[in-house]
Formats: sequence, structure tokens, C-alpha cells
Amino acid sequence: DAMVIQNPRYQVTQFGKPVTLSCSQTLNHNVMYWYQQKSSQAPKLLFHYYDKDFNNEADTPDNFQSRRPNTSFCFLDIRSPGLGDAAMYLCATSRGGSSTDTQYFGPGTRLTVL
Amino acid sequence: GQNIDQPTEMTATEGAIVQINCTYQTSGFNGLFWYQQHAGEAPTFLSYNVLDGLEEKGRFSSFLSRSKGYSYLLLKELQMKDSASYLCAAMDSNYQLIWGAGTKLIIKP
Repeated sequence: DAMVIQNPRYQVTQFGKPVTLSCSQTLNHNVMYWYQQKSSQAPKLLFHYYDKDFNNEADTPDNFQSRRPNTSFCFLDIRSPGLGDAAMYLCATSRGGSSTDTQYFGPGTRLTVL
Repeated sequence: GQNIDQPTEMTATEGAIVQINCTYQTSGFNGLFWYQQHAGEAPTFLSYNVLDGLEEKGRFSSFLSRSKGYSYLLLKELQMKDSASYLCAAMDSNYQLIWGAGTKLIIKP
């Protein structure tokens, strides 16, 4: 089945210790998104790639970086995690470029910062 | 600014009908999405409306009024498994999704 996969599902890191979250997709979608979602809040878009074009949201901290080495994979790097970065990180994909562009989500990675 | 408003929490009884409302203000409009999110899981797509009116999909229906900036999700024959958060998201003129914080729906036997 075509799908969006995120690894790991649960990640524990130390305060200030870099961490990388991964996302892969078999949908062959052009667009990949990274969202941060805290409890009972709306998903907050961090950035997205349209093919290789990187689009950073204005209020995304510099502490968050992303890489998309190919169509299938996208990574979220948190350079120095703080306690406030503990959240669910959601990867989503879409075909791109139309008003009917539905986003499909992976299962998410829950990040705990100790 | 861009904004989505939906109730924080609703309670309903198994077998009943519930309507979850959403109002939106966006720069341009390219459609309204509803997603279901169970606790600790990712959102899953439920419906998309871009034209005024009601779209029915099994037990779930979604309605849109563009002139009023208003949508609702109607859930019929409620089941316990429908206990979840329901997220409303509007797509703006840049094809970006503006998300609501979600409505937590609690189903009681």
C-alpha cells in the first residue's frame, strides 16, 4: 500500500543533543511537509518542499532544519532541542499545485526532551 | 489575519447525530478540509469542500457556505470509535492549509 512512513515513532533526546527524524513516502508526491503539533493545538507548519524547492515558514526557529535528498525521503534535524520542542512531529505529503491538494500524514514521531 | 474557529470540545451519545461547526477567515480560499485525529495519532483525511453545499460520505457529511465563511461536519449514527479530535483546515490563495486547533468529540454510551 502506498503510504507515508515516519521513523522512529517515539524519540527521546537530551536537552541540547541533536536529533534527526525521518520521513519516507511511496506515493510519489511532489510536496513533503513537516508539522509540529503540541497537545490540543493545531498542527504548525515548519517548512515544506515542492520537489527540491525548500519553503521555510517565517516563524520557524533556526534550530529546525530540513533535508530532502530525493523524492521519497525528507528529514527534520533539530540542532539543539529545548524543552519547548517536545511535541508530535508530523510529516505529510501531497501531489501539489491544485486546490484539491489533499495532504496525507504519516503516523508521527513523538519527541520527548529530557 | 488568517483564522479558523471551532469549538474546543463536544459531547454526544452513541447512536446520535452531532454537528461540528467551523468558521474561517483566509487570504483567498481554495477549499475546506476536515481531518479526524485520534489521540496520539496522525490526522486522517475525511472530506474536502470547495463548492457551496453538502457532500455526503457514508455516516459523515460536510457542508460549506463560502459567503459565510462557514463549514460543518455532520456525524450520524455515532459509534464509540468516533471519539477523536476533528480538525478543520482552510486552504488559502497560496495553497497553504490554515488549521484549526480541533474539536475534541467525546462519545458516551
